[in-house]
Amino acid sequence: GESVGLHLPTLSVQEGDNSIINCAYSNSASDYFIWYKQESGKGPQFIIDIRSNMDKRQGQRVTVLLNKTVKHLSLQIAATQPGDSAVYFCAENTDYRDDKIIFGKGTRLHILP
Amino acid sequence: DAMVIQNPRYQVTQFGKPVTLSCSQTLNHNVMYWYQQKSSQAPKLLFHYYDKDFNNEADTPDNFQSRRPNTSFCFLDIRSPGLGDAAMYLCATSRAGQADGYTFGSGTRLTVV
Repeated sequence: GESVGLHLPTLSVQEGDNSIINCAYSNSASDYFIWYKQESGKGPQFIIDIRSNMDKRQGQRVTVLLNKTVKHLSLQIAATQPGDSAVYFCAENTDYRDDKIIFGKGTRLHILP
Repeated sequence: DAMVIQNPRYQVTQFGKPVTLSCSQTLNHNVMYWYQQKSSQAPKLLFHYYDKDFNNEADTPDNFQSRRPNTSFCFLDIRSPGLGDAAMYLCATSRAGQADGYTFGSGTRLTVV
């Protein structure tokens, strides 16, 4: 079936370095993508989103890149901090009018001191 | 602050004993969702309400039911919890037709003994 997946289950990054978390999606009809951060014992927290008519969107210390040709999504976190330690999920919506979001498997980001 | 509130944070129930989890929101969002999240896995959509319209996912077991008596409240009923139903249950809300990500509650962690 169609799904959203992540390449790496765990990513370790030195504090202060940039982090890049990748995501592959298989549904070419998806037109909206979201990155969520989930800390232990908490619900997912919205980080940034992007629509399919864009290839890049920037937020505060975060950038999402979308490559529709290869169906790839990435989250870049600049100057990674200890507070960035969490599991990051990409999620997709095939039709924003449908209001259903499908989550990928998640990548755990571990910050090295 | 407008938010999504789940009660209780932790729930212990006996095998086979019905249990109800609750969710309330002050965002006035018309769509509410229930997700199940098992350890180290992505949230899995169980069902959602679009206003009063109930939408069940095809693979959601019959053991799971939901009620939405008004815009602000939504309940998840597990009729006969099994050991495999132990998980984090997440409630989320969104504004229909405005895909700007969901707002999640902090979740209820259900233990079945």
